[in-house]
Amino acid sequence: NAGVMQNPRHLVRRRGQEARLRCSPMKGHSHVYWYRQLPEEGLKFMVYLQKENIIDESGMPKERFSAEFPKEGPSILRIQQVVRGDSAAYFCASSPAARGNSPLHFGNGTRLTVT
Amino acid sequence: GIQVEQSPPDLILQEGANSTLRCNFSDSVNNLQWFHQNPWGQLINLFYIPSGTKQNGRLSATTVATERYSLLYISSSQTTDSGVYFCAVELNTGTASKLTFGTGTRLQVTL
Repeated sequence: NAGVMQNPRHLVRRRGQEARLRCSPMKGHSHVYWYRQLPEEGLKFMVYLQKENIIDESGMPKERFSAEFPKEGPSILRIQQVVRGDSAAYFCASSPAARGNSPLHFGNGTRLTVT
Repeated sequence: GIQVEQSPPDLILQEGANSTLRCNFSDSVNNLQWFHQNPWGQLINLFYIPSGTKQNGRLSATTVATERYSLLYISSSQTTDSGVYFCAVELNTGTASKLTFGTGTRLQVTL
């Protein structure tokens, strides 16, 4: 059973370009969570999605950032017009619908560098 | 929001030594996880431990939910234990939501 898959592992973008980060949850999981880790810091929650629904986006910056989890395919975190401050590691986690009291499992992350 | 504090922030050990990492949190939680982020940046689940004690090889963890702290024990440390250890908690809100991470303990194990 494959774990949470994120790609690309590394992404380099120039200022002003768009970054698209993909996350495929574990098999059987329908809930996805995105976290951001700035250099030398802990992970910070960004957004929680179920299939075709955003449940909690309280950690998302108000502008340039968006997330989706379509009925088919991976979850996408999209950053428009990237700036140097967007350079970070972006982690995705997934859980089953009826999560109850069970741990979150994280992918290996996408490291975004904005030049 | 909930506060999660980890101590010590940095730790240097000689191979073979034992250590205890601490995580304090400011509110009731229904989920607590310990993670190891290795030098390559991968985040590895160590324990899911909202209460009680668990052991996995040289690692063990204890959470005392009523006193709002958790401890991670590393025995006979090895160089591969190096990295950052994070504690993360989820509030007891009755719904699956989000983890709040501490700032981590950076561990370096030397020969």
